[in-house]
Amino acid sequence: EDQVTQSPEALRLQEGESSSLNCSYTVSGLRGLFWYRQDPGKGPEFLFTLYSAGEEKEKERLKATLTKKESFLHITAPKPEDSATYLCAVQGANNFNKFYFGSGTKLNVKP
Amino acid sequence: EAGVTQFPSHSVIEKGQTVTLRCDPISGHDNLYWYRRVMGKEIKFLLHFVKESKQDESGMPNNRFLAERTGGTYSTLKVQPAELEDSGVYFCASSHTSGPTAQYFGPGTRLLVL
Repeated sequence: EDQVTQSPEALRLQEGESSSLNCSYTVSGLRGLFWYRQDPGKGPEFLFTLYSAGEEKEKERLKATLTKKESFLHITAPKPEDSATYLCAVQGANNFNKFYFGSGTKLNVKP
Repeated sequence: EAGVTQFPSHSVIEKGQTVTLRCDPISGHDNLYWYRRVMGKEIKFLLHFVKESKQDESGMPNNRFLAERTGGTYSTLKVQPAELEDSGVYFCASSHTSGPTAQYFGPGTRLLVL
C-alpha cells in the first residue's frame, strides 16, 4: 500500500532560523506529491504540487523539492506566522483519485 | 470564490444515535472527497464522487456509513448507528478535475461519540 512518512514530528525554530521538513514516500508510480498547511481547528490549506523528480516550487519563505523517494519543504527565515502543521500527501498510479497523507510535522516558530 | 464548507462544525452524540454531516464543494467542482482523521492518526480517504456517482468508496469503514451526493452538488455523510470509534474529524475536499490535482479542503466536522 502507498505510504508516507514525515519527519520530524515536531520542530521548534527561532524566528529567522531556516530548516527543512522531510516527507518520505513509497508509492507505485507517483502521480503527484502535495504539501498542505494546517492551522489548529481548520482544514488543510493547499501549498504546492510536485509531479516529477527534480521539480521545485516556491512560495514566499517556502520551497518544496522532490526526489524519487522523498520531498523536502525548506523554510527560509521563518516567522511566527509560519507556525502550523505541514502535511504531505501522495497520489499513486493505482489509486490516483485518493490522497495518502503523512502524519504531519508540527512547526513552532518562536519570536 | 467561496471555499468548501461543512456543517456542522462540531457534533456530540451518544453511541447508537445517527449523525449526518454535510459538505458543499467549491462551485463547479465535479469531484468531491470525504476523508477522516481519528485521534493520533493521519488523515485517511473515505470515498470519492464524480458528480453524483461514487467512483471509489474503498475507504468507507463499514456499512454504518452512507454517503450521498444527489444532483451532484452538496454531499452528505450519514453514520448510523454511531460507535465510539467513529469519533474524529471528518473533512470534505473538492477538485475541478480527477487525477493528480490539488484537492481543496473544508474546515472539517469534529464528531464526538460518547
